[in-house]
Amino acid sequence: QVQLQESGPGLVKPSETLSLTCTVSGGSISGYYWSWIRQPPGKGLEWIGYIYYSGSTNYNPSLKSRVTISVDTSKNQFSLKLSSVTAADTAVYYCARVLAAGTSPYYYYYYYMDVWGKGTTVTVSS
Amino acid sequence: DIVLAQSPATLSLSPGERATLSCRAGQSVSSYLAWYQQKPGQAPRLLIYDAFNRATGIPARFSGSGSGTDFTLTISSLEPEDFAVYYCQQRSNWPYTFGQGTKLEIK
Repeated sequence: QVQLQESGPGLVKPSETLSLTCTVSGGSISGYYWSWIRQPPGKGLEWIGYIYYSGSTNYNPSLKSRVTISVDTSKNQFSLKLSSVTAADTAVYYCARVLAAGTSPYYYYYYYMDVWGKGTTVTVSS
Repeated sequence: DIVLAQSPATLSLSPGERATLSCRAGQSVSSYLAWYQQKPGQAPRLLIYDAFNRATGIPARFSGSGSGTDFTLTISSLEPEDFAVYYCQQRSNWPYTFGQGTKLEIK
């Protein structure tokens, strides 16, 4: 059973770069799309972006200038960097897998998240 | 961005009752809509995808319907564990967006 675990600093100073890593266990990162989603305190969900295991990415235009998502297949990990953070970036950050049907390499991707990490809280404060 | 408006914001019902949650899209999303359940302190859980398909392991009391701009999540008979926040999400146009959520609370 695939499990995801986010890791990274829980406190980031304003104007600095937020860096998180998601480790995939119980399965391979290959063949799938992987996402970062965030949820500000008491608010709804925002899709930050996603990455294919081969490295192609798609970012939310509202964050595109500040976001980089990368993948390391040798470590079964993918990562998020968000630069120039402000208090508005304070949130629970989730990594997740995009739902896929079929068999590798002929997957159909539904672009909903079927496996989620537990989330990690990141606070932006000096 | 496609705005998804969920209603009501809060729904108060008792166990055993039927719950009907609504999600309305600002433009047609065809059938490309999902529903998630989120409990406090937990990640969301995928319930329904592409409007009416139940995700793996989801009980049959959860059902989805709709297409275009109007969608409904129905829980036929509420169990105590069903009280949570429910979100809809569209995958028709990037950026894929979520509704603001409906809180289903015990009456």
